[in-house]
Amino acid sequence: NAGVTQTPKFRVLKTGQSMTLLCAQDMNHEYMYWYRQDPGMGLRLIHYSVGEGTTAKGEVPDGYNVSRLKKQNFLLGLESAAPSQTSVYFCASSPGAGDQETQYFGPGTRLLVL
Amino acid sequence: GQNIDQPTEMTATEGAIVQINCTYQTSGFNGLFWYQQHAGEAPTFLSYNVLDGLEEKGRFSSFLSRSKGYSYLLLKELQMKDSASYLCAVKDSNYQLIWGAGTKLIIKP
Repeated sequence: NAGVTQTPKFRVLKTGQSMTLLCAQDMNHEYMYWYRQDPGMGLRLIHYSVGEGTTAKGEVPDGYNVSRLKKQNFLLGLESAAPSQTSVYFCASSPGAGDQETQYFGPGTRLLVL
Repeated sequence: GQNIDQPTEMTATEGAIVQINCTYQTSGFNGLFWYQQHAGEAPTFLSYNVLDGLEEKGRFSSFLSRSKGYSYLLLKELQMKDSASYLCAVKDSNYQLIWGAGTKLIIKP
């Protein structure tokens, strides 16, 4: 099992460019999440999905869109990148959202917006 | 608002014991998690507490006091590979994880 994988690992964008980050999981998990991690701050939830075809907003959704067309994949899109979106992006998945459900993380995507 | 506080950085000696504290104020409580994150890597699950008391897992233990909004992670017999950031996270009333900024633990020989 590969667990949770993310592509690309690193990307440099110019302001205004668009890109899509791909997350894939092979654990048959229902729930998937996108977080961003910035220095001195905790992980912040951008969007999440409770199942194929569903998405919901997290704490910091502005400037991002997501899609979950297949259960194993969760895509994060930046339509018009801004320097404030420079961050490390982590995807995670979990079987459900119950008390003990642990989230499993991908290796992260480092994004630099110039 | 929701808030999770942990020390920014701690230093300890190889072979010693270190305690990393976490205090929280959240809307609801459905469990507290500790994750380990090595530099440049993904967070990985360490422990889970939902009832008051101590949970032991080998060299690592985690304690919870719900009435005090307090938890700690205890690491014994420290090894150089324990140098990492330790993240405290609370599952709130919406079953969303609220994350602390993490404690960077530096182990010295």
